[in-house]
Amino acid sequence: AQSVTQLGSHVSVSEGALVLLRCNYSSSVPPYLFWYVQYPNQGLQLLLKYTSAATLVKGINGFEAEFKKSETSFHLTKPSAHMSDAAEYFCAVSESIQFYFGTGTSLTVIP
Amino acid sequence: DAGVTQSPTHLIKTRGQQVTLRCSPKSGHDTVSWYQQALGQGPQFIFQYYEEEERQRGNFPDRFSGHQFPNYSSELNVNALLLGDSALYLCASSFDSYEQYFGPGTRLTVT
Repeated sequence: AQSVTQLGSHVSVSEGALVLLRCNYSSSVPPYLFWYVQYPNQGLQLLLKYTSAATLVKGINGFEAEFKKSETSFHLTKPSAHMSDAAEYFCAVSESIQFYFGTGTSLTVIP
Repeated sequence: DAGVTQSPTHLIKTRGQQVTLRCSPKSGHDTVSWYQQALGQGPQFIFQYYEEEERQRGNFPDRFSGHQFPNYSSELNVNALLLGDSALYLCASSFDSYEQYFGPGTRLTVT
């Protein structure tokens, strides 16, 4: 079965600073990879996805992620944090039908 | 486009009772997946419905069952509720399974 590890359950950054959220996955075949964001009391919103095209994927709200097969990683970055980025972020992997989610990283943005 | 909708928003049940949650997929989507998200955890895959059949199931007991209707909407039923069933239940719809759109969820509290 697939597994997803998100290093750091809580990350704090200053407004305007770089955001880096880490995700590593286990997969025996090239996977589909996703980052979702969840605001309080809401469902999950897709930020970006990797589906074996370009290794650097750009998403919404200025986020991007790079697929590194050698490191089995798919870290999420944003050059400059905004207060509205404060939320829970989930990395997910899919080989076929089933999605496997990490345990999430809570991002706090300090003004 | 209304996106994925779920009802009810919140629900409180007593141990041993049964509950039915409902989901309407995004327009154009024919596949519905259900997830359980316990507090502080990532979503866990329950099952997926396609063409009114359960296509794949996660590691959940038979107390969890579902149904998909001809209009692609879906229900999740949970029998003999346990305290541990308290969670946010998320419905996700897709057309090709590789990009899932999530609803806002139903918060179930079992007392």
